[in-house]
Amino acid sequence: KAGVTQTPRYLIKTRGQQVTLSCSPISGHRSVSWYQQTPGQGLQFLFEYFSETQRNKGNFPGRFSGRQFSNSRSEMNVSTLELGDSALYLCASSFGQTGELFFGEGSRLTVL
Amino acid sequence: GENVEQHPSTLSVQEGDSAVIKCTYSDSASNYFPWYKQELGKGPQLIIDIRSNVGEKKDQRIAVTLNKTAKHFSLHITETQPEDSAVYFCAASSERSSTLGRLYFGRGTQLTVWP
Repeated sequence: KAGVTQTPRYLIKTRGQQVTLSCSPISGHRSVSWYQQTPGQGLQFLFEYFSETQRNKGNFPGRFSGRQFSNSRSEMNVSTLELGDSALYLCASSFGQTGELFFGEGSRLTVL
Repeated sequence: GENVEQHPSTLSVQEGDSAVIKCTYSDSASNYFPWYKQELGKGPQLIIDIRSNVGEKKDQRIAVTLNKTAKHFSLHITETQPEDSAVYFCAASSERSSTLGRLYFGRGTQLTVWP
């Protein structure tokens, strides 16, 4: 059974640009959550989507947004990038009825 | 919101010894407590979890205990092996529909197992 797939794995952007990250959940999973991981702040929750609806949102500015498609695939977008947005962005999927999350390998974003 | 504290931040043990990582949480509504292992360059991997209706759960060399009254839970790894070396995260959540998908993580424990 394929795991959670995130693309791209690595990317470099400059301040002011925007970026879109993609996540394909485990087959059959209807929930996708996004997390930001940094050495300073650890793992922080961004948002969660279930059946194309944002069900939960963390404390991040509006520059961070996401969406989920009918096939459960999800994308997150960060606009007007700042140096502090450099992080590993992790996607996790689940059936959506329990707390069990299965993470992908992450997309490592570097903002210069 | 929930606050999860994890100790120690680093832990070094000899191969074959046991390792214990402890976490505390603040929200009495939390009822789901997973543990994740993250190896270098990879995403966190769920290794064991426990719900608040259970006090202890074991899976081969790994066990987790939960004390709801004291709001703390612990990960126990016995007979450690070098491949157990990784960063371990505890987390807590309340499995309500309004909070599903949201885990509150501890800051992690870097476990090193020396051969």
